[in-house]
This record gives sequence, C-alpha cells and structure tokens, in this order.
Amino acid sequence: SNELTQPPSVSVSPGQTARITCSGDALSQQHAYWYQHKSGQAPVVVIYKDIERPSGIPERFSGSSSRTTVALTISGVQAEDEADYYCQSADNNADWVFGGGTRLTVL
Amino acid sequence: EVQLVQSGAEMKKAGESLKISCQVSGYNFNNYWIAWVRQMPGKGLEWMGIIYPGDSDTRYSPSFEGQVTISVDKSISAAYLRWSSLKASDTAVYYCARLWHSGGDRWFDPWGRGTPVTVS
Repeated sequence: SNELTQPPSVSVSPGQTARITCSGDALSQQHAYWYQHKSGQAPVVVIYKDIERPSGIPERFSGSSSRTTVALTISGVQAEDEADYYCQSADNNADWVFGGGTRLTVL
Repeated sequence: EVQLVQSGAEMKKAGESLKISCQVSGYNFNNYWIAWVRQMPGKGLEWMGIIYPGDSDTRYSPSFEGQVTISVDKSISAAYLRWSSLKASDTAVYYCARLWHSGGDRWFDPWGRGTPVTVS
C-alpha cells in the first residue's frame, strides 16, 4: 500500500509532549518528512530524512523511525505549535504521497 | 532568499478555464523541480504533479493526469497550473513548492502561500 496513516488529531497542554505518528509500508524503504501547516500560511518542513531538523526549527521538534512507522515528537509544546502536521514519503513509483494530516491542538 | 510567490485568489464558474502562477526567485529556476499540491476544503495535502524547468520534463499523479496541465516560462522563472474546464470539485487551495534534494532524498522546501480557487 502507498498510503500513509496519521491520527486525525492530537491534543496536549502547553509544556507537555506531543507525539504524532505516521504509518505505511513505504516507510520501511523510504524516508519520511514532516511539514507544519498553519492556516493561511505556507507549509514548512520541520523534519527531513526521518530525524533531521532543518536550521531554524526549534530543538523541541524531533523525529524517529521504526520499520513502518515514523513519529514527530514536540517536547515542551508551545501555543505557537498549534497547526496541522503532515508526513510525506515516496510511493512505489517514486512519486510523492502525504499522510492525511494531524491537527495538533494546544489546550 | 528563496521565494515562491503565487498568484491571487480566483473565483470562476464551472466550465471556465484558469491558469495560476508561481513566481520563483532567489535560486536558479532551471535546476530544481517545482511541484503543485492541492488542499481541498477541510482535507489534507495531495501531490498533483511536478515539472523540471530545465527541460520541462513533467510528471503527474495518476489522480490528476489529464485533469490539469503544468508548465513553466523559463524567461520569467514562473511555473503554471492550468485547467481547461473547471469543475466545482476543483475548489481548493493550490500550493507550489520547490523539490529540494540532498543525496537520494527529496522533499518540498520552500512552499508558496497558496492560491485559493473557488468554482461555482
């Protein structure tokens, strides 16, 4: 299957840790990338190649990978982290596929 | 600074044609693929297609093949997404994004802010 499955929503209180998972068969062979998308703004990559953090992205964002599941962890969540988060990888045809997205709500 | 500046919101009627643009600056336009991504109301991101400005090599997602046309104008560093006959189901926000690569890995960075398209 080329699909990537994410939970529709995750809710945490400020200062807590949020963990967003992304599952799919393709992830056993392809890296994953995570994008933060705030309403009305351009999506921004926050993790690339499963675990790498681009310059300018806060250290509280981290990625992990295990077989067919990857995860985005945000430690010490802040109100500004409230957004939709999408995982992305490549499918069998080397085309690009996105997960369904996870709405992170900061309570 | 790398920037992808997209054209403004569009309101069209079903059956009309439309071409939206993505103006690139801050890097050599010819050397990086440009992708288009759709986000329907209340839905997630969908990869539509991608073009290499250097030679206009274009690939489409099977879901969008034949539905849209992606093109570029190298003289002005712009990419385009065109519909010949819009449908109400084309109502969405459309994003362009550069395909960045590092070794064998490729991801979208940066993105434009999106062009809302409303078809009635």
